[in-house]
Amino acid sequence: SQQGEEDPQALSIQEGENATMNCSYKTSINNLQWYRQNSGRGLVHLILIRSNEREKHSGRLRVTLDTSKKSSSLLITASRAADTASYFCATAYTGTASKLTFGTGTRLQVTL
Amino acid sequence: GAGVSQTPSNKVTEKGKYVELRCDPISGHTALYWYRQSLGQGPEFLIYFQGTGAADDSGLPNDRFFAVRPEGSVSTLKIQRTERGDSAVYLCASSRGQNTGELFFGEGSRLTVL
Repeated sequence: SQQGEEDPQALSIQEGENATMNCSYKTSINNLQWYRQNSGRGLVHLILIRSNEREKHSGRLRVTLDTSKKSSSLLITASRAADTASYFCATAYTGTASKLTFGTGTRLQVTL
Repeated sequence: GAGVSQTPSNKVTEKGKYVELRCDPISGHTALYWYRQSLGQGPEFLIYFQGTGAADDSGLPNDRFFAVRPEGSVSTLKIQRTERGDSAVYLCASSRGQNTGELFFGEGSRLTVL
């Protein structure tokens, strides 16, 4: 089953705008990761944030983690048409060894 | 190879047939995962190998599904008596070790059961 829920399910913005996606999960985690998937392709890892971290940056990406609310957000700044893809959060739950549980994804459309 | 390789990229079969999907992970990666992704959904965990052994097969939906990794490298996902509901993209991923770090995904095998 899929434990994470992303919000919104779909997001359409114009190039240059910022895109924010949210993820909620259910139980305590070791880490949370964000992945990107272009249509018909495999998933690509973007960023990993550990349970003892609150914020992490990578280029135009900013991820926050609030373990008290069991939620995370992914911010893409100055979006580009090439950012058009589906974005998934994935959680490594405490006690589940090494498997990642993926959310339902946010489909981002960036238009020119 | 440089990345995770999955074959075939597309497989069309008839209901009731047997199917094998192959995954060749990144060289040196000891952990290997199989996921299934239906249209519009996120990947759903099937099975995880650490080395040759299945460390967690809790996601396999029923006993028609089986996976092996006999030499700790290439893995094969086997589906017996396929059903239309098995139609999905089957994704393979590998990672360096036991701790849940970054997964490297293949492009997937799209299975269509008619």
